[in-house]
Amino acid sequence: DVKVTQSSRYLVKRTGEKVFLECVQDMDHENMFWYRQDPGLGLRLIYFSYDVKMKEKGDIPEGYSVSREKKERFSLILESASTNQTSMYLCASSRRQTEKLFFGSGTQLSVL
Amino acid sequence: AQKITQTQPGMFVQEKEAVTLDCTYDTSDQSYGLFWYKQPSSGEMIFLIYQGSYDEQNATEGRYSLNFQKARKSANLVISASQLGDSAMYFCAMRENNNNDMRFGAGTRLTVKP
Repeated sequence: DVKVTQSSRYLVKRTGEKVFLECVQDMDHENMFWYRQDPGLGLRLIYFSYDVKMKEKGDIPEGYSVSREKKERFSLILESASTNQTSMYLCASSRRQTEKLFFGSGTQLSVL
Repeated sequence: AQKITQTQPGMFVQEKEAVTLDCTYDTSDQSYGLFWYKQPSSGEMIFLIYQGSYDEQNATEGRYSLNFQKARKSANLVISASQLGDSAMYFCAMRENNNNDMRFGAGTRLTVKP
């Protein structure tokens, strides 16, 4: 089975801190994604990557950046965390464009 | 940009009855895929069913079926014989074959009553 692992289940950070959310997949998938999930808004796409060192903005990239130096790892970076970035963050991966996503278990980030 | 609309924030269904969760989408592409995911209170995202835009038959997976009406751009999920364990958030999603991304609707919270 595909495994997508997010490094932390819960994270508490202070306003202004630099925050790294890590995601690793073990099935050699080309595509990786970062979403945030907020009540009533569903999953909103932040960034995605279709290859190593390649990235594309999703719908809400402001305040975030990403890094994909290796195929299996996709990192989400909050350069200066703000309270409105308190949310559940979900990482996902897939092999090809037409295929379903496999999700990690999520990271609940609280910014105080 | 593609857009997914789920108009039912919450739905209730009696155990053992069928329920339909609505999903409409907007795309100018001819080739795309539609997906439904379930998210129970544990938070994990569980893939349920997939429908390709060129598939002539509606997709079925056990108690799940997808009522695909291409001209109306709708992809409703039908759950037959509801069980208490079906209580969860349900998300509709679409992936255009020319793009690498996937976008989701706002979700529907289904509650199955005993």
